[in-house]
Amino acid sequence: QKEVEQNSGPLSVPEGAIASLNCTYSDRGSQSFFWYRQYSGKSPELIMSIYSNGDKEDGRFTAQLNKASQYVSLLIRDSQPSDSATYLCAVNPDGGTSYGKLTFGQGTILTVHP
Amino acid sequence: DTEVTQTPKHLVMGMTNKKSLKCEQHMGHRAMYWYKQKAKKPPELMFVYSYEKLSINESVPSRFSPECPNSSLLNLHLHALQPEDSALYLCASSPGPSYEQYFGPGTRLTVT
Repeated sequence: QKEVEQNSGPLSVPEGAIASLNCTYSDRGSQSFFWYRQYSGKSPELIMSIYSNGDKEDGRFTAQLNKASQYVSLLIRDSQPSDSATYLCAVNPDGGTSYGKLTFGQGTILTVHP
Repeated sequence: DTEVTQTPKHLVMGMTNKKSLKCEQHMGHRAMYWYKQKAKKPPELMFVYSYEKLSINESVPSRFSPECPNSSLLNLHLHALQPEDSALYLCASSPGPSYEQYFGPGTRLTVT
């Protein structure tokens, strides 16, 4: 069973702080990794994708991937109340019959309080 | 533009009805997906179309029938649903199966 694990939270941080969201995955052959943000009652919105080891930055968001440790994280700098949402980690396998089948974690609820 | 559109936004149907959900993208993406999402759970994959061919069916009951008329359109035909099928149905598309998926706004389905 290929799994993606996230701490369900809730993670509560003050406005302006750094929020750190973590995700581990079991399929060592996984090739692509994504973070989605989902507001209550809305659909998931892609905020970051990462394909190779290291850091990838986009505005206030930084994704970090360590394939050896099977770990992917998302840092949100200068957190805002509008960042309060559920963050879903998703992992894509490396081909075969599961090609295109994203495995999602259970999501981490983030609350940013003023 | 990374827009995926879905219609209708909301749908209420009885257990004997037949209805269809529609999804459209004009990004030239070659993979399209149907997901089902229950409250406080992650999306659950139902079907994957790659280059207009069904490549993954996650053992979905036959009362759900997908169709991909062309590379931009994806339908989900519904028949004889059960109340437990009430959920948010999400369509997504990606440039190819290994790339990032973009979700549409979803159809909120209620089966009475």
